[in-house]
Amino acid sequence: DIQMTQSPPTLSASVGDRVTITCRASQSISSWLAWYQQKPGKAPKLLIYQASNLESGVPSRFSGSGSGTEFTLTISSLQPDDFATYYCQHYSSFPLTFGGGTKVEIK
Amino acid sequence: EVQLEESGGGLVQPGGSLRLSCTGSGFTFGDYAMTWVRQAPGKGLEWVGLFRSRLYGGTIEYAASVKGRFTISRDNSNSIAYLQMNSLKTEDTAMYYCSRGLTVPGAKYWLDPWGQGTLVTVSS
Repeated sequence: DIQMTQSPPTLSASVGDRVTITCRASQSISSWLAWYQQKPGKAPKLLIYQASNLESGVPSRFSGSGSGTEFTLTISSLQPDDFATYYCQHYSSFPLTFGGGTKVEIK
Repeated sequence: EVQLEESGGGLVQPGGSLRLSCTGSGFTFGDYAMTWVRQAPGKGLEWVGLFRSRLYGGTIEYAASVKGRFTISRDNSNSIAYLQMNSLKTEDTAMYYCSRGLTVPGAKYWLDPWGQGTLVTVSS
């Protein structure tokens, strides 16, 4: 199974900050990576697929990059609505696996 | 608008069974894979299983943690996916989400959208 490791587990930031979350795969997954945002008590929401493709309707301050085993999700200017937990997911093979999550908190 | 809605969650004793349903709307249900993902209280996301669309053979994949105990099925004519859960354990306690699986050649599936989830509690 491919293991997905996210860092940091928790991130404290202020509105307007540039935020970067890292996701590492235990083996190469090409660009088969998605990012999701989850707010408390809500279902996850797709932000990015194929490592860097922004889902329709997602603000352009979100961007993704990487290939192989190392990937990043960047929020260029953190907004109040962005305080949430973010998960990466590989879809290179079965089983599909998720990273452990990164909680973005208000500093 | 593409929507998914789960139902069927509740309290069940260890060793018991439960069937969850996921009703889709706003898309041609049979043309897409349907997936179940769970989230234990305060924990991360765990993929449970996936039922491929008829276009991709209609086959099923399961996570090792549920294989042999859980069964995914689907009724394309009524746009419903099911998750039959047998021999339930306390560690199966979680919010269960269904989602639509999206794919391109060479890849497996990313998930969009997700339903609101249904809570399953396994306890005596």
